[in-house]
Amino acid sequence: DQQVKQNSPSLSVQEGRISILNCDYTNSMFDYFLWYKKYPAEGPTFLISISSIKDKNEDGRFTVFLNKSAKHLSLHIVPSQPGDSAVYFCAAGTQGGSEKLVFGKGTKLTVNP
Amino acid sequence: DGGITQSPKYLFRKEGQNVTLSCEQNLNHDAMYWYRQDPGQGLRLIYYSQIVNDFQKGDIAEGYSVSREKKESFPLTVTSAQKNPTAFYLCASSIFPGRSYNEQFFGPGTRLTVL
Repeated sequence: DQQVKQNSPSLSVQEGRISILNCDYTNSMFDYFLWYKKYPAEGPTFLISISSIKDKNEDGRFTVFLNKSAKHLSLHIVPSQPGDSAVYFCAAGTQGGSEKLVFGKGTKLTVNP
Repeated sequence: DGGITQSPKYLFRKEGQNVTLSCEQNLNHDAMYWYRQDPGQGLRLIYYSQIVNDFQKGDIAEGYSVSREKKESFPLTVTSAQKNPTAFYLCASSIFPGRSYNEQFFGPGTRLTVL
């Protein structure tokens, strides 16, 4: 049973436009969420995170929104750049808990010049 | 500079052989993790360790074994009992868990191919 779902395997956007990547979760115990970016044959790199006490966190071109009632979060990238083309993973965990993260299957973002 | 190293980058193994993947970190992190990634799949947790000489099974531990004799090192052995060992293996670490949330930092990965 997938606790973290990324229902869009792929997304294609034009350079300069907004990219919106979505993530849904089922476990109400999750109280922090992270986004990772991964290039082929490399390890994921941390992008941005959000705690459940917030509904928005922003870092440069990247903003994560959390809707707890809907158990939904999204990553907005604006403006999108060709270098943003990668697979993006959503992950969820519990603060002070077992420190395990649960990952979604990822969304492959392609930003076209 | 600090980071996580995994070696080798590519590894080939004959069916029926055990193989050990190396993971070393100099970040002074307490917790270390092993994940497996298959095409179209997310990262699935194999084993994790919160402290030296202690480790726990993740979601797909069958056919794998680990040890944590040193804080800096968390090697993963893929045994012949693992039915589908060909995959991309990722090691990660994080600051002591339980205080507050901390992101996991990943190594570059090892691509294991069973011939």
